[in-house]
Amino acid sequence: GNSVTQMEGPVTLSEEAFLTINCTYTATGYPSLFWYVQYPGEGLQLLLKATKADDKGSNKGFEATYRKETTSFHLEKGSVQVSDSAVYFCALRLNTGGFKTIFGAGTRLFVKA
Amino acid sequence: DAGVIQSPRHEVTEMGQEVTLRCKPISGHDYLFWYRQTMMRGLELLIYFNNNVPIDDSGMPEDRFSAKMPNASFSTLKIQPSEPRDSAVYFCASSLWNLGYEQYFGPGTRLTVT
Repeated sequence: GNSVTQMEGPVTLSEEAFLTINCTYTATGYPSLFWYVQYPGEGLQLLLKATKADDKGSNKGFEATYRKETTSFHLEKGSVQVSDSAVYFCALRLNTGGFKTIFGAGTRLFVKA
Repeated sequence: DAGVIQSPRHEVTEMGQEVTLRCKPISGHDYLFWYRQTMMRGLELLIYFNNNVPIDDSGMPEDRFSAKMPNASFSTLKIQPSEPRDSAVYFCASSLWNLGYEQYFGPGTRLTVT
């Protein structure tokens, strides 16, 4: 079936450290891939997206590349800030059969000053 | 635009009571989704609508749950009767086909059933 697997958290980093959150997926066809972020007490917000293989999504210093050969969409940021502390969700949207979006379990990130 | 609006933000009720959660999607969006988030199960899609018509309700846990969308600007999720295991944060999200189907989430309703 279709699914998304993310690295378990929490991930704890010091400010200005490099961030990687791994995400792999299983899907039929050619899904679109997303990273959403959830700040405490809020709903999810779209962070970035990629719609086809080798596309790179980027926003606010975060980036992720759609790798079809490894079925991955890892999230990276070169220098994290305390304000990046949140839960990050990898997701895929099937482009057929009703456009359902499937979310990963989420990875909590803590950034220390 | 005000974004997706959900009410109430918090709901505390006793087991056996009826609970109704409300959602107003972003004006013009043609998809509406209801999700449930818990620590144990993460984010689960319950049901989604396209142009007010339910498309996939396979995530609705059981007959105690029902959802309606009487018009393009309003949807409800009802639980009757409620049980303690229904305690969760319920999110509504909307999207539009020509925006790449990115979903815009509301702030959620935190439901506690005692």
